[in-house]
Amino acid sequence: ETGVTQTPRHLVMGMTNKKSLKCEQHLGHNAMYWYKQSAKKPLELMFVYSLEERVENNSVPSRFSPECPNSSHLFLHLHTLQPEDSALYLCASSQDGRGVGGYTFGSGTRLTVV
Amino acid sequence: GQSLEQPSEVTAVEGAIVQINCTYQTSGFYGLSWYQQHDGGAPTFLSYNALDGLEETGRFSSFLSRSDSYGYLLLQELQMKDSASYFCAVSPNNAGNMLTFGGGTRLMVKP
Repeated sequence: ETGVTQTPRHLVMGMTNKKSLKCEQHLGHNAMYWYKQSAKKPLELMFVYSLEERVENNSVPSRFSPECPNSSHLFLHLHTLQPEDSALYLCASSQDGRGVGGYTFGSGTRLTVV
Repeated sequence: GQSLEQPSEVTAVEGAIVQINCTYQTSGFYGLSWYQQHDGGAPTFLSYNALDGLEETGRFSSFLSRSDSYGYLLLQELQMKDSASYFCAVSPNNAGNMLTFGGGTRLMVKP
């Protein structure tokens, strides 16, 4: 149990499907993040929300759409994905964006696009 | 932008000491972090250095030299359970202040 819970753990979807990834934290953190982890590549920051406002987009394709309804919940809506989007999607939260106290990561959603 | 370099793989034996190096280039710098990730698991926070020098936490220590843009993670008395990937990450000193991660070092501990 990491304090950050992600669902589902595994997801297989077709290129025309619409699905959503969910992340939940009850650590009282102010910032939440979506990272993409692909094989043999560094963790890539996708989106950041600080106090429920998006502060970083990082040139992510529009087929990925984040939503942060409150400070404890974060969603990643997926639509018309490509096979190269198959990866581990990690959610994280932190009190300090600079990482002084560390980021707390969820276990991730393993996404496969077929 | 930011870039970080760390070895892709390191192998060591149980009981040994291993050092994982990280060099970085960043337009602004606030601190260097280290994370551990076991296969199929979440990255977990190990340490954070904002000032030069060595920080020790049990069997793990982390070092930073800001003038050399260099840091390392030192693991002592290696155990089999230390087999994992280790990531360094920099906190840039600019608006937003999000972590940028290196590609990770896969550590294999052998009996």
